[in-house]
Amino acid sequence: QKEVEQDPGPLSVPEGAIVSLNCTYSNSAFQYFMWYRQYSRKGPELLMYTYSSGNKEDGRFTAQVDKSSKYISLFIRDSQPSDSATYLCAMSGTSYGKLTFGQGTILTVHP
Amino acid sequence: KAGVTQTPRYLIKTRGQQVTLSCSPISGHRSVSWYQQTPGQGLQFLFEYFSETQRNKGNFPGRFSGRQFSNSRSEMNVSTLELGDSALYLCASSLAAGEETQYFGPGTRLLVL
Repeated sequence: QKEVEQDPGPLSVPEGAIVSLNCTYSNSAFQYFMWYRQYSRKGPELLMYTYSSGNKEDGRFTAQVDKSSKYISLFIRDSQPSDSATYLCAMSGTSYGKLTFGQGTILTVHP
Repeated sequence: KAGVTQTPRYLIKTRGQQVTLSCSPISGHRSVSWYQQTPGQGLQFLFEYFSETQRNKGNFPGRFSGRQFSNSRSEMNVSTLELGDSALYLCASSLAAGEETQYFGPGTRLLVL
């Protein structure tokens, strides 16, 4: 069993929809939680960073962490075609410089 | 501020050869981590360097090695290339020890024939 589980999708939504992306994890030592966006043939781009449990909002993006359930979420409001990408959850806190990633969810927002 | 840069962007090698990839972190960043990304395994951690010292290593064979220079630039080397080493190799930098937020470069796409 992987330390971090993420539904690979693919997920297809119409423009303007609310998108919900999720990851579960098994290692209770994880303390830092991140979401990255990766366009085809590009490196991952940091979207959101959260420490421990709680919510964080940045524009159309909201990240939620529930450490008691070992569950994290990313919500995208008013989704746009430019949001079409692979979304990766990542976690750390167990060893130096190491992020543990989910498999990534492929999202397509169609006009 | 310039982002993380990686060279070369694309490489084609044959089995048995070796390859060296280069990474220049964001100015002022002292930690550099390397990852391998493949469709089947996703992003997997290779190793991390801070102040020219390898502090952490993932579960990869000894053919994979790296180093960091005094200016924080880093290189990784893969010797005796195998077909399964074909992947996108990503470098990420972070500001300091204990800083968890990592910023990625565009990657080097390696194809082993």
